[in-house]
Amino acid sequence: GAGVSQSPRYKVTKRGQDVTLRCDPISSHATLYWYQQALGQGPEFLTYFNYEAQPDKSGLPSDRFSAERPEGSISTLTIQRTEQRDSAMYRCAVGTGDEKLFFGSGTQLSVL
Amino acid sequence: LAKTTQPISMDSYEGQEVNITCSHNNIATNDYITWYQQFPSQGPRFIIQGYKTKVTNEVASLFIPADRKSSTLSLPRVSLSDTAVYYCLVGGWTGFQKLVFGTGTRLLVSP
Repeated sequence: GAGVSQSPRYKVTKRGQDVTLRCDPISSHATLYWYQQALGQGPEFLTYFNYEAQPDKSGLPSDRFSAERPEGSISTLTIQRTEQRDSAMYRCAVGTGDEKLFFGSGTQLSVL
Repeated sequence: LAKTTQPISMDSYEGQEVNITCSHNNIATNDYITWYQQFPSQGPRFIIQGYKTKVTNEVASLFIPADRKSSTLSLPRVSLSDTAVYYCLVGGWTGFQKLVFGTGTRLLVSP
């Protein structure tokens, strides 16, 4: 069945450092989504993949954010030169053929 | 992309039926309507999906009028554990696409 493993579960970093978050789908899924969720807010779309292609990255807040899915399976989200405003929960989700999303537990990023 | 509008919050009591309405005036012909539930510290969880008329599963019912410009999620006989944020999303099945969450409706169920 559908499922997603995200790592690390928590990440604390200092401002200016780079961080990489990982999303590992349990089984094969064509689509993979990244969302950013601030406390008390709804998930904000960042980007999505169709296998290894990245049709839409319009939600990435700045060029410090990038995502990859080189083999159409595992995906990483990298934030360069982190800033305090990047602190949030980062959620990965995979989509089924009818675009029902299954979310991972997320990575809580804290930038000090 | 169809934008959705929901009430920010709703209050209810255990055992009551709760109806949450979502407006999506510019829904496209190939768009489906999907509802998610989110508990604190967890990711959103799929509840129900529909295209038109009525859909029912073991958790909820979804009512969609003929013009499809709105939809109503119905939760029968809510319990305390139904306290959560509920989101409606609108998106199509014709291809992979950006799926955008709105602000959601925060449902509080009291004893």
